Amino acid sequence: GQQLNQSPQSMFIQEGEDVSMNCTSSSIFNTWLWYKQDPGEGPVLLIALYKAGELTSNGRLTAQFGITRKDSFLNISASIPSDVGIYFCAGRMAAGNKLTFGGGTRVLVKP
Amino acid sequence: DTEVTQTPKHLVMGMTNKKSLKCEQHMGHRAMYWYKQKAKKPPELMFVYSYEKLSINESVPSRFSPECPNSSLLNLHLHALQPEDSALYLCASSQDRLVKSSYEQYFGPGTRLTVT
Repeated sequence: GQQLNQSPQSMFIQEGEDVSMNCTSSSIFNTWLWYKQDPGEGPVLLIALYKAGELTSNGRLTAQFGITRKDSFLNISASIPSDVGIYFCAGRMAAGNKLTFGGGTRVLVKP
Repeated sequence: DTEVTQTPKHLVMGMTNKKSLKCEQHMGHRAMYWYKQKAKKPPELMFVYSYEKLSINESVPSRFSPECPNSSLLNLHLHALQPEDSALYLCASSQDRLVKSSYEQYFGPGTRLTVT
């Protein structure tokens, strides 16, 4: 089946830093979604992307839909402690409602 | 308002018990989903209802039985579960109409299920 490779698997952030994560696939996706999940909670939708090349921002978050439609990127600028959590990408192929999720990027605070 | 509610928040059940998880949304969404999530893993799709009809069953064992009584409610009936079924069970909804945002799934907070 289709797979989404999300990297990095984990990262440490220091307050004020910009951080990036990405998802890649061998398959073409028509929609990319980025979610954040805090411990014990459900994923919260951050950004939705619908068109190849699209660049969309939500506050300090910026996400891009790759030109090849096989990848997507999420950037967090000027990170703050509440950015800690797990970020998931999810892609939707041509037909239907089904989403394929990446393995997640765990964002942690530098000790 | 993008709220999906789930009850209970936590559930502990024995392997011979029968219990139900409940999910509700009032966003007018016509697609509703059940996911299972193990620790440090992404959500795994179990079932999809579209316009109150079951449209996807991801080969889920029959000890999990979904039900969609109306467009706002989704239940998951549990019977004779195994300890390995312990997980966070997430409900989600989306518009399921031919508009751009119809693929945006909104998740509830989940039910933490422990099977003893």
